[in-house]
Amino acid sequence: DAGITQSPRHKVTETGTPVTLRCHQTENHRYMYWYRQDPGHGLRLIHYSYGVKDTDKGEVSDGYSVSRSKTEDFLLTLESATSSQTSVYFCATKDTSSGNTIYFGEGSWLTVV
Amino acid sequence: AQSVTQLGSHVSVSEGALVLLRCNYSSSVPPYLFWYVQYPNQGLQLLLKYTSAATLVKGINGFEAEFKKSETSFHLTKPSAHMSDAAEYFCAVSGGSGGSNYKLTFGKGTLLTVNP
Repeated sequence: DAGITQSPRHKVTETGTPVTLRCHQTENHRYMYWYRQDPGHGLRLIHYSYGVKDTDKGEVSDGYSVSRSKTEDFLLTLESATSSQTSVYFCATKDTSSGNTIYFGEGSWLTVV
Repeated sequence: AQSVTQLGSHVSVSEGALVLLRCNYSSSVPPYLFWYVQYPNQGLQLLLKYTSAATLVKGINGFEAEFKKSETSFHLTKPSAHMSDAAEYFCAVSGGSGGSNYKLTFGKGTLLTVNP
């Protein structure tokens, strides 16, 4: 357990509205990630961060942006939500002191109507 | 580049039977390999990991996996299935020391059903 808290856990929003998901960690891990999980696709990386203000794109980054102003917080923003962004979003952190194990939060269920 | 293929999106076994979930990987650098389990409406929990030490890795809940470099495989096994093992299982690969070290690439998952 890497002390990862995601908020909100559940959200319903309308198409075209901005949405921000927050990930907070208490383990001082340098690396943080946002994944989305969809049936038949497994988990796909959206964005990741390798330090404060250092972020990069993953394989499905279109329509998403991220920010990391503090080590403990990693925000994922959907600038203008679309129905294709209805998904379960998982935040994760990497513990580089234990074989690069990645630990996951409990997930945020987002529905765009 | 790295990728993971999980053979079989759905595996069904009887309680007490052997569980075998297959995972093959590709990686351009020595890999770190992981199995995660996900119960309904929950996050992913680490079952076990291979990080270039012993090739036979033991994890939680009686699961183990064997790293076979020649076959590029990391199959997950459990000698005797229990009803509580019903869940979705994900295999994942990370570059151990190379340029792809930063991220974890997942397979598409295998749903395990355990029949009484």
